[in-house]
Amino acid sequence: DTAVSQTPKYLVTQMGNDKSIKCEQNLGHDTMYWYKQDSKKFLKIMFSYNNKELIINETVPNRFSPKSPDKAHLNLHINSLELGDSAVYFCASSRVYEQYFGPGTRLTVT
Amino acid sequence: QQQVKQSPQSLIVQKGGISIINCAYENTAFDYFPWYQQFPGKGPALLIAIRPDVSEKKEGRFTISFNKSAKQFSLHIMDSQPGDSATYFCAASMNSGGSNYKLTFGKGTLLTVNP
Repeated sequence: DTAVSQTPKYLVTQMGNDKSIKCEQNLGHDTMYWYKQDSKKFLKIMFSYNNKELIINETVPNRFSPKSPDKAHLNLHINSLELGDSAVYFCASSRVYEQYFGPGTRLTVT
Repeated sequence: QQQVKQSPQSLIVQKGGISIINCAYENTAFDYFPWYQQFPGKGPALLIAIRPDVSEKKEGRFTISFNKSAKQFSLHIMDSQPGDSATYFCAASMNSGGSNYKLTFGKGTLLTVNP
């Protein structure tokens, strides 16, 4: 009965590869987000989707492409991975103000 | 430009003491101010939040104090316990269209409560 879940929890890959992270929420929320937490623990929003429509797209390289097949899912696909993409990626969801975060996916690019 | 400034970066408190973390914001369009608690290897968990029309909100041992004119808000943890040891983030939110609310986070405070 996890509210916001992400898979995988850990992802280790080589530079240049393409990878995806999946997110699902069972809270019935309309809005979902992707955040990046860097090595200094700074959290920054990347994208926001509302009812499968992209609303927020921060200054993120276009190698990152979010996809929302339905209201409960928001996946993050990353092309041509670079060393600087190593971070923890969090999915979150909200109905109005309160945002609830998933457990995170630690991506390590070697 | 850092829109939400958080201090201190780290804090060590004895068990039973009061932990105080401060945040300041710049953009008056922010209209919701949550605090998140993050344990190692876990996602941020919503702890307590306040709207700018209220000066204080208390939930159990956790209290937010809000000063709209100074554009500052703080988290007070009363009777701090070793289990409170975690990283705490303040954040500020503004509406970015429809039901989308963009959260801007402070840089976090690592709280250690010694037994």
